[in-house]
Amino acid sequence: GQSLEQPSEVTAVEGAIVQINCTYQTSGFYGLSWYQQHDGGAPTFLSYNALDGLEETGRFSSFLSRSDSYGYLLLQELQMKDSASYFCAVEHGQNFVFGPGTRLSVLP
Amino acid sequence: DTGVSQDPRHKITKRGQNVTFRCDPISEHNRLYWYRQTLGQGPEFLTYFQNEAQLEKSRLLSDRFSAERPKGSFSTLEIQRTEQGDSAMYLCASSVPGRTQGIQYFGPGTRLLVL
Repeated sequence: GQSLEQPSEVTAVEGAIVQINCTYQTSGFYGLSWYQQHDGGAPTFLSYNALDGLEETGRFSSFLSRSDSYGYLLLQELQMKDSASYFCAVEHGQNFVFGPGTRLSVLP
Repeated sequence: DTGVSQDPRHKITKRGQNVTFRCDPISEHNRLYWYRQTLGQGPEFLTYFQNEAQLEKSRLLSDRFSAERPKGSFSTLEIQRTEQGDSAMYLCASSVPGRTQGIQYFGPGTRLLVL
């Protein structure tokens, strides 16, 4: 089976940089995705790593190391609107397996 | 609006009743997924369609759940004899394979409350 682990909560202040880690146990997968979900809203796609290394998209970057079964999402120049839950997900076969989510609180 | 839409947005039902939800994916997306999400948890995969074919179904999905995508466009998810444990947000997502691999576009969800 597949399982993913994330910290349950992270707190940071505006303007700071925060890293949300994701470790996984899976027998094989195509890539690692990251999604953002505000309270009451739908998950929205942030970033995807098919290969090892860093992918940068504006203030958000994502990293994958298949050898370490590890990835992270890096959020820079934090803004209040970044307060949300963040989920990592592995694309495994025909479906996606999501992690339990990390709730990020950005303080003024 | 060219996004994924779901209907209804909210549903309250009594235990034992049947409910049906609808999902309209982005028009050119041939892949469609259903997920269930409870408070504080990540989306949990239920089932997956490629065009009209249901290619995968979670082992967690009991026989009270059924999904269809008859013409490869919209999809329906039916829950028969609802139980209080079915209370959750039901999310639909669509995607296109290839260059956008790994990206899913989610609808706003249908929040189900079983009394």
